[in-house]
Order: sequence, then C-alpha cells, then structure tokens
Amino acid sequence: NAGVMQNPRHLVRRRGQEARLRCSPMKGHSHVYWYRQLPEEGLKFMVYLQKENIIDESGMPKERFSAEFPKEGPSILRIQQVVRGDSAAYFCASSWGETVHIQYFGAGTRLSVL
Amino acid sequence: GNSVTQMEGPVTLSEEAFLTINCTYTATGYPSLFWYVQYPGEGLQLLLKATKADDKGSNKGFEATYRKETTSFHLEKGSVQVSDSAVYFCALMGAQKLVFGQGTRLTINP
Repeated sequence: NAGVMQNPRHLVRRRGQEARLRCSPMKGHSHVYWYRQLPEEGLKFMVYLQKENIIDESGMPKERFSAEFPKEGPSILRIQQVVRGDSAAYFCASSWGETVHIQYFGAGTRLSVL
Repeated sequence: GNSVTQMEGPVTLSEEAFLTINCTYTATGYPSLFWYVQYPGEGLQLLLKATKADDKGSNKGFEATYRKETTSFHLEKGSVQVSDSAVYFCALMGAQKLVFGQGTRLTINP
C-alpha cells in the first residue's frame, strides 16, 4: 500500500478556508476511492472515481465537498469553507480492473480545522 | 443496507495469548470480506481476505473464515506479539465500496 501517495500528510486550515487533498494511485490503477475517518470511528466511504468520471458519490456531503480524478495528475478532494467538523483523517485507496476486490490505501491526510 | 459490526474494544492481552476479534455482517448476496490493520499514524493495510463462503484467509499468523450460516468473519491468532498492537477493521465489499466496522483497538503487553 506504500504505492498510494497522499499529500500533504498533515494539513491545518482555519475555518472558512479551502482544503485540497491529493492522491496519486498505485501505478496501473485507474480506480480511486476516498474515505473519511472521524476520531475513534471506522472509515466511511465518500466517493469512487475512475479517470475523468465520478462513479459513486453517495457518501459525499452535498455541500462544500467535491472530488475529481483528471486524465492527467492526481485525484483531488476539495473541501470549501472548512468547518471544525471537517477535522478528520482522509484516506485514499486505489484498485484496478473490472473485478476490484482489493483496495490499497495511502497513509492518509490528517486535516485539522482551527 | 450493508453493515459490519465488530467486537467492541479496546482489547488488552498479554504476549502469547490467544486472540479472537468478532465480526458479523449484514449484506445482500455474498460480499467479499476483509480484515485491515492500522498501525499508529499510518493508513490501512490489508491483512487478509475471503471472497466466498467457507474460504479461509490467512496472513502473518492471523486467520479468518467466511461463515455464511452465521454471517461472521472472526479474526483469530494463536499467539499474539507486542508488534500486533494496532487497530483492526473488519470490512465487506459491496457495490465497489468498502463498508467498515468501527474498529477494535488491540494492545499487547509484554
């Protein structure tokens, strides 16, 4: 799972600022997933993307959150006008192929909103 | 909808003790089942998996068997080590996304 690269590892934002989290999938992987882990909780699915397409965003908050996975470059999770409740660890995972049983996780970005 | 319920923690054991962490699930169909481990400050690492009923996943001395009758996937290890201290997550795969249990924090004392 060391192949999934997330940056930054830690991000501090003040309320109202924007947070941009980046994820580069493992080489050869075309499926990207974002999960959020609140303190002392399990991970919750947010969004599933393939190149240039959002496949499933059923776990994304309706406002302020967006995600993209462009043809070139990393996947981006963007949070506008952050609030304290957005403080969490955000994990990206990637997989490949049509039967996507195994997701490999990055080390996560820990967002702190002051 | 799909859900996973894990044994509540934290769990504290002595080195060389036997470990069981219970996991049950609710799902339509027969999803693939996973155990992931998270060491402090790190991301999740796949520990083991099973894709169909009666499959046994195993890795690093850990085992779990996919039990369709009891909708369970309990994690076991015969003799734990201090280095096994971590948070363990049970998960199922449904519609291309993982559904996780709440996690069980395991601490092994020397």
